[in-house]
Amino acid sequence: DGGITQSPKYLFRKEGQNVTLSCEQNLNHDAMYWYRQDPGQGLRLIYYSQIVNDFQKGDIAEGYSVSREKKESFPLTVTSAQKNPTAFYLCASSAPGGAWNEQFFGPGTRLTVL
Amino acid sequence: AQKVTQAQTEISVVEKEDVTLDCVYETRDTTYYLFWYKQPPSGELVFLIRRNSFDEQNEISGRYSWNFQKSTSSFNFTITASQVVDSAVYFCALKHNAGNMLTFGGGTRLMVKP
Repeated sequence: DGGITQSPKYLFRKEGQNVTLSCEQNLNHDAMYWYRQDPGQGLRLIYYSQIVNDFQKGDIAEGYSVSREKKESFPLTVTSAQKNPTAFYLCASSAPGGAWNEQFFGPGTRLTVL
Repeated sequence: AQKVTQAQTEISVVEKEDVTLDCVYETRDTTYYLFWYKQPPSGELVFLIRRNSFDEQNEISGRYSWNFQKSTSSFNFTITASQVVDSAVYFCALKHNAGNMLTFGGGTRLMVKP
């Protein structure tokens, strides 16, 4: 059945390392998003992509990078430039057709910096 | 600029009580969309409802109901006869017509005790 998968579920990183979070969807959605959630807070947009080979920065893009080479995949790299990367990361996608469409979310990846 | 405020950070009720989660939003757009999502302990956000700015009809879905009032810029969510399974964090979100990006409130953690 269709949905969004994120891996790994838990990820530990040493300071100074880059890590990549995976996000795959089989919903045939054009748009994909990455959010960061800190404890007790709402979601903040990191990057989004409306179409393959195109993406834009969200509100908190510094220290992160993305690629969108395939419609189904939107990996997020947390670089060593991100000073406080410990958080819960959620990937989402939405169908074309405008702002009416809701976003569907994956199960999330919890990243901890050791 | 858009903003969503969920003033109640945490609510605790006893099973079978009714509970209302408040959401107040700010936007300069005349066309916009409002959403509610549920985040259970597993972490994945689950879509509950959407409303467009031209539809002020209240909606009821089982034990859930939503009250949208443009005059007060509010989109409140009521759970009737709450159950332990309703325990989760609930997010209100706003999307303007020009794009697909969601602005989230800080969330309300609802704890329903048996």
